[in-house]
This record gives sequence, C-alpha cells and structure tokens, in this order.
Amino acid sequence: KQEVTQIPAALSVPEGENLVLNCSFTDSAIYNLQWFRQDPGKGLTSLLLIQSSQREQTSGRLNASLDKSSGRSTLYIAASQPGDSATYLCAVRAGSSNTGKLIFGQGTTLQVKP
Amino acid sequence: GAGVSQSPSNKVTEKGKDVELRCDPISGHTALYWYRQSLGQGLEFLIYFQGNSAPDKSGLPSDRFSAERTGGSVSTLTIQRTQQEDSAVYLCASSFGGRPTEAFFGQGTRLTVV
Repeated sequence: KQEVTQIPAALSVPEGENLVLNCSFTDSAIYNLQWFRQDPGKGLTSLLLIQSSQREQTSGRLNASLDKSSGRSTLYIAASQPGDSATYLCAVRAGSSNTGKLIFGQGTTLQVKP
Repeated sequence: GAGVSQSPSNKVTEKGKDVELRCDPISGHTALYWYRQSLGQGLEFLIYFQGNSAPDKSGLPSDRFSAERTGGSVSTLTIQRTQQEDSAVYLCASSFGGRPTEAFFGQGTRLTVV
C-alpha cells in the first residue's frame, strides 16, 4: 500500500531564507508526483508536476526534485517571503499509468516571518 | 469553466439529513476525484472517476456515502443520514486523461453537521 510522508509537519523561518520541504513515498511505482499549496480555508493550488521520468521541475523560486528509486521528493523554496506562508502538500499518482489515484501526504505548514 | 467549481461553498445540516455536494470539473477533463479534509488533517481519498471506467470507490468510509458522475462531466457526492463526524471540507479535483495529468482542485464545500 502506497504511503506518503512529509517532514517536517511544521516549519517557521525568517524571511529571505532558502528552505527545503521533504516528501517520501513507500512504493516507487508512481506515474508522477505533484506539489500543491493550500492557504487556510482554501482549496489546493497546483505548484509543480514531475513525471516519473523527470528529475526536477522549476517554477520561479520553486524547484522540485524527484528520486523515484529512493522514494523521495524535495521542494526547494528560494528567498522565502511572508506570502509563501501556507501548507504544502505532495501527492503521488499511484501505479504506472495516468489512471491511478492521487495519494497525499499530511502536509508541511510553513510560516515565513517578516 | 476556467476552473473546478464546487457548490455549495458552505453547508450546514442537521444530523440525520441527506446532503448533496456538486462538482463541475474543468471542461474536457476525464478524471474526477473526491477527497475529504477534516480540521487540521490531510486529504482523505473518497472516490475516483476515470472516463467510462468503473469508479474507484475504495475510499468511501461507509455505505452512507455515494457518488455519481453524469455524462462524464458533473459529479454529485451524496451523504445519507449525516453524522457529526461527517463534518469536513469536501474537495473535488479533475485532470486531463492524457499527459500531463496535473490535477486541479476546486475551493471545496465546508460541511457542518449539527
């Protein structure tokens, strides 16, 4: 059974710091991995999607990496800003095709202090 | 529409009543997911529709929960005889059946059972 774990559960950093959020999954048979952001009381916003054949994806100050064989992904946020404060969730699409369901981690709640 | 639309955004119901939650996916998306998020918790998978295939209902917590998707588009999640533990935010997502299978979420329906 695929399980997704995110560490740490919560993180507080001063503005301007670079930081790394971790996501691990137990079964390397994934189709892709997606990082989301969730603001309090809101839905999820997609940040980055990494296909299983890819190693990393970048969008602005965000960089996500994927090491499928070791069951790990990291989300790197450069020069953090107070507006980055939110909960970050990673999800893997189980299986070897695009018909697998998304399995989520519990999330990392990030606070960036001005 | 431009994004995934869910209605209502908020629903307060009395214990024992039935409720229906609606999800309008992004036009052309063949995959549709329902998740539940209890206060301070991660996302709990409920049900997944992919095209004309039989839905994956493995996450439905009890037979009080059911969902259907009419015409491959709009989906309705029905909870019969609601209980207080059903109180949560119910999130819907959709994705395109081909690559890349990035999932997009609606803003959710906050259900409160009193």
